[in-house]
Amino acid sequence: DAKTTQPNSMESNEEEPVHLPCNHSTISGTDYIHWYRQLPSQGPEYVIHGLTSNVNNRMASLAIAEDRKSSTLILHRATLRDAAVYYCILRDVLDDKVIFGPGTSLSVIP
Amino acid sequence: EPEVTQTPSHQVTQMGQEVILRCVPISNHLYFYWYRQILGQKVEFLVSFYNNEISEKSEIFDDQFSVERPDGSNFTLKIRSTKLEDSAMYFCASRGGRGEYNSPLHFGNGTRLTVT
Repeated sequence: DAKTTQPNSMESNEEEPVHLPCNHSTISGTDYIHWYRQLPSQGPEYVIHGLTSNVNNRMASLAIAEDRKSSTLILHRATLRDAAVYYCILRDVLDDKVIFGPGTSLSVIP
Repeated sequence: EPEVTQTPSHQVTQMGQEVILRCVPISNHLYFYWYRQILGQKVEFLVSFYNNEISEKSEIFDDQFSVERPDGSNFTLKIRSTKLEDSAMYFCASRGGRGEYNSPLHFGNGTRLTVT
C-alpha cells in the first residue's frame, strides 16, 4: 500500500478554518485520496475523496496538488464537534479495503 | 440516513471462551468488513467479505477467527478461543451496492470486547 504522511496533531480555534495536510509522494495513477475521521468513542466516518480535481461536500473540501503528491483537507469553520482523528488514505481504484495509518489528532479550542 | 449497527456495544468474556460479535450492515450493501482497534492504537483491517466468501484477510485474522453471513441481514465475527490480547474495539463496516466501485466504507460504532 502506498503511504501517507500526516502531522501527529494539530490545534484550531473554534469557528476558524482548518487545513489538514497530507503528503503522499509515492502515489500511483490509480490511487484515490480518501479522508476519514474518527470522533471519540465512535467508528471511523467517511469525509471525502478525490482523484485529481478539488472536491467539495457538505462536510469539507479536498484540495489536491497538481502533481498529486500532497493534498489538504479543509474544514471551513471548525466546531467543537470536529475534534477527531483525521486519516488521509490512498486507495487504489480496484482495492477493496481501506488501510488506516495513525492520522492527525485535531483539537478544537473554544 | 441508513447506518451500520453492531451488538452488543460491550462484551466481557473469559479467556478461552468463544465470542460472536454481530453486525447489521446497510441493507443494499454487498461488501462487508471487520476491523479492530486496540486501545490507543490505530484501526487495523481484519477481513473483507463479498459474495458469501472472504475476499481478503490480514495476518491478524488467523484460524481463531471466522466470519459468516448467516442470513440476508446479519454479518458476524466469531473468535473461537479468546485471548487477553483480543481485547479491543471491533468495528464492522459495509459499502457498495451493485456497480459501486471504490465506494466509501460505512462503519458501525463498534463492540468493545474485554477478555479477562
